[in-house]
Amino acid sequence: EAGVAQSPRYKIIEKRQSVAFWCNPISGHATLYWYQQILGQGPKLLIQFQNNGVVDDSQLPKDRFSAERLKGVDSTLKIQPAKLEDSAVYLCASSLDSGSPLHFGNGTRLTVT
Amino acid sequence: GEDVEQSLFLSVREGDSSVINCTYTDSSSTYLYWYKQEPGAGLQLLTYIFSNMDMKQDQRLTVLLNKKDKHLSLRIADTQTGDSAIYFCAERSPYNQGGKLIFGQGTELSVKP
Repeated sequence: EAGVAQSPRYKIIEKRQSVAFWCNPISGHATLYWYQQILGQGPKLLIQFQNNGVVDDSQLPKDRFSAERLKGVDSTLKIQPAKLEDSAVYLCASSLDSGSPLHFGNGTRLTVT
Repeated sequence: GEDVEQSLFLSVREGDSSVINCTYTDSSSTYLYWYKQEPGAGLQLLTYIFSNMDMKQDQRLTVLLNKKDKHLSLRIADTQTGDSAIYFCAERSPYNQGGKLIFGQGTELSVKP
């Protein structure tokens, strides 16, 4: 079974620029999550999708972050404009449904200078 | 509220047992998980336990759950240098609350030869 695919692996941008991350979940997984992991901390949920609908985006800074999951498969997470404190690893995860274990991708490491 | 606490560091000798502890606050948690994160990688699911169980054993891993005290532990028998990593405990909110995972800040396990 192929795992969760994320790209790019690394991204360096200047503050106020925009950036987008892409995630391809495990085939057949209905639930997709984006987590933010700041260095030295545990992952924090940004947004959760069930198919192409949003289940939880309560911790997503909506003034600068947006995410979509068109057709209920791939997802993109965008930051516009980026701030220094957005430097983190952005992890995508998927699960068969919202009661099954999460499987994580290797993440995208974002550095904002 | 939801909160998961872990000690930050643990150092053991190769061949010894490691015990990583975790406390959580949400008594309605359905499942509790242990994930492993190696440098530059995503989170790897190690094991999980349903909230109505006391213990689960899987090869070198033993999970103990004390639901009364909201305390979870992961014991790794015969710890190897390859077990050096950060270990995250996570609690799962109920299905009708979205089933999201709340992570602790991680315990860095260092295994010395």
